[in-house]
Amino acid sequence: EAEVAQSPRYKITEKSQAVAFWCDPISGHATLYWYRQILGQGPELLVQFQDESVVDDSQLPKDRFSAERLKGVDSTLKIQPAELGDSAMYLCASSLTSSRGNEQFFGPGTRLTVL
Amino acid sequence: AQSVTQLGSHVSVSEGALVLLRCNYSSSVPPYLFWYVQYPNQGLQLLLKYTTGATLVKGINGFEAEFKKSETSFHLTKPSAHMSDAAEYFCAVSESDFGNEKLTFGTGTRLTIIP
Repeated sequence: EAEVAQSPRYKITEKSQAVAFWCDPISGHATLYWYRQILGQGPELLVQFQDESVVDDSQLPKDRFSAERLKGVDSTLKIQPAELGDSAMYLCASSLTSSRGNEQFFGPGTRLTVL
Repeated sequence: AQSVTQLGSHVSVSEGALVLLRCNYSSSVPPYLFWYVQYPNQGLQLLLKYTTGATLVKGINGFEAEFKKSETSFHLTKPSAHMSDAAEYFCAVSESDFGNEKLTFGTGTRLTIIP
């Protein structure tokens, strides 16, 4: 069964360092999402891609976060510099299209701890 | 703007007992509603969804949910709890922005099964 892959699964870093997360969506899925899930809360959308284009990054802290999906397949989310408040689970999801009601398939996430 | 309220951040039920997890939503458009389950250190998995049509929706693992427009609710139920149901459950509502689906999640309910 096709799955969304994410790496690393766990990342510990010190504040002010740079970190990067990678996501490989299900083959053929045009839409890719990055979510942040703070402990005890539901996921919050950071950025949404349609193919290689960003369609929503309104909740992405652009002073320190960046995301790209250069060839419209896999994607990288970067934080530079990391802050203590960035400690969270970062989830990647993909869907066949961005049409309403389309199921989003989630990866296992990257748990980030900032010391 | 859309929002989701999940009543009860923690719910405990005995094995074999009825499971009831509550979700109320707010949406400016006819809602699409989802329930996702998250096991420890894993991503989210779709349990069921309501888009249009029949208001009683059946999902995986014996779960079902009923859309009640008059009550703006989409509560999740399972007649008989199993130990493997222990997990965190998230209700979500979707809003389509020019064809780009956006999910808003509730804060989650942690379900504990008592042997």
